[in-house]
Amino acid sequence: DTGVSQDPRHKITKRGQNVTFRCDPISEHNRLYWYRQTLGQGPEFLTYFQNEAQLEKSRLLSDRFSAERPKGSFSTLEIQRTEQGDSAMYLCASSLGGVAGVTYEQYFGPGTRLTVT
Amino acid sequence: GDSVTQMEGPVTLSEEAFLTINCTYTATGYPSLFWYVQYPGEGLQLLLKATKADDKGSNKGFEATYRKETTSFHLEKGSVQVSDSAVYFCAPAYGGATNKLIFGTGTLLAVQP
Repeated sequence: DTGVSQDPRHKITKRGQNVTFRCDPISEHNRLYWYRQTLGQGPEFLTYFQNEAQLEKSRLLSDRFSAERPKGSFSTLEIQRTEQGDSAMYLCASSLGGVAGVTYEQYFGPGTRLTVT
Repeated sequence: GDSVTQMEGPVTLSEEAFLTINCTYTATGYPSLFWYVQYPGEGLQLLLKATKADDKGSNKGFEATYRKETTSFHLEKGSVQVSDSAVYFCAPAYGGATNKLIFGTGTLLAVQP
């Protein structure tokens, strides 16, 4: 198992452009999470999927953000009309899940660092 | 809302010193508790976890005990090494079925030889 992978690792874009990030979870994990981490802060939850269903979205996720997980495997996070405030590290994590009363560990990818100029 | 408060850093210690990083959380529900570590230039790694009161999580010489009465999950290590220099995050998992992690601001640990 190669762990959670993310692509690209770094992205520099100009304000107003659209960007898309990809996350490949650990293969047997049915849950996939997106978090955002700004400099000097801890990661903040954005959204999560169980299989292909997006089950929760944070209020941090404005309508410029959209996430998909079309076949319950990899996921994409798209940001439209980027703003300088979107500059951050975008983290993906995966876990097992769906069993009532059981909390599974989340395993994180290396992140995609977005810089909006 | 759900939140976690961590000891502010940086924490600077000499090698072989005793480490404590304090963490307290809000007592909404009964979260599972995690410590993650971020080494320089690397991604977040799970360090240890505890899922119920009085559970002790341990890994790589680090320990933390789930204290429901004080809503705390303090991280300890008896003898730190230079290689332990990293940022440490306390993270309860909230949200019922969601199990989303709520991270503290992180504590930078710098261990000097």
